Amino acid sequence: GQQLNQSPQSMFIQEGEDVSMNCTSSSIFNTWLWYKQEPGEGPVLLIALYKAGELTSNGRLTAQFGITRKDSFLNISASIPSDVGIYFCAGHSNTGNQFYFGTGTSLTVIP
Amino acid sequence: GAGVSQSPSNKVTEKGKDVELRCDPISGHTALYWYRQSLGQGLEFLIYFQGNSAPDKSGLPSDRFSAERTGGSVSTLTIQRTQQEDSAVYLCASSLVWGGSNQPQHFGDGTRLSIL
Repeated sequence: GQQLNQSPQSMFIQEGEDVSMNCTSSSIFNTWLWYKQEPGEGPVLLIALYKAGELTSNGRLTAQFGITRKDSFLNISASIPSDVGIYFCAGHSNTGNQFYFGTGTSLTVIP
Repeated sequence: GAGVSQSPSNKVTEKGKDVELRCDPISGHTALYWYRQSLGQGLEFLIYFQGNSAPDKSGLPSDRFSAERTGGSVSTLTIQRTQQEDSAVYLCASSLVWGGSNQPQHFGDGTRLSIL
């Protein structure tokens, strides 16, 4: 099935730094989701975006639905060790009936 | 329970054996999905069910894989004559309805399958 292009593939940052990752698609999407997966667990939904240009925050996390509707961004401010995990984007297009998932961004926070 | 429940959490078996993985979705969720996640990789869609409709099996990698959903609730994913390349985490997700762009999927913790 279709996969989204997510970057960067991995990040190693110092505690306290800000983080930015993004997801792009060749198709127009009408929904973007961001998930976090910790070792040994399933993905947990962080933020859902339903409108182009929408900017939504969840604590230190902020995600945006790109104006072109082909991309989305996730930012984490003032990272802490418990932010470690793999972050996945997922998108839903008008022409399909399922969500497509990105390949993930692995985040390591160095104390 | 409140979330998607999967069992077993870990399964180790010998090559050639059959395995059955179980998923209990969130109560009231009519859509159920199975994904496979290989080490360090993203999510590979396998199959989904919506209510009593025929499932979309387009993601199943071979005819050794099958899934059923009885009574519109619990689902089992069966892998026959397992191969070493079947080793992965198998994730189940459910959503209130299928196909809705405003219906995010909620995941279980997965079954970690290791084929010796």
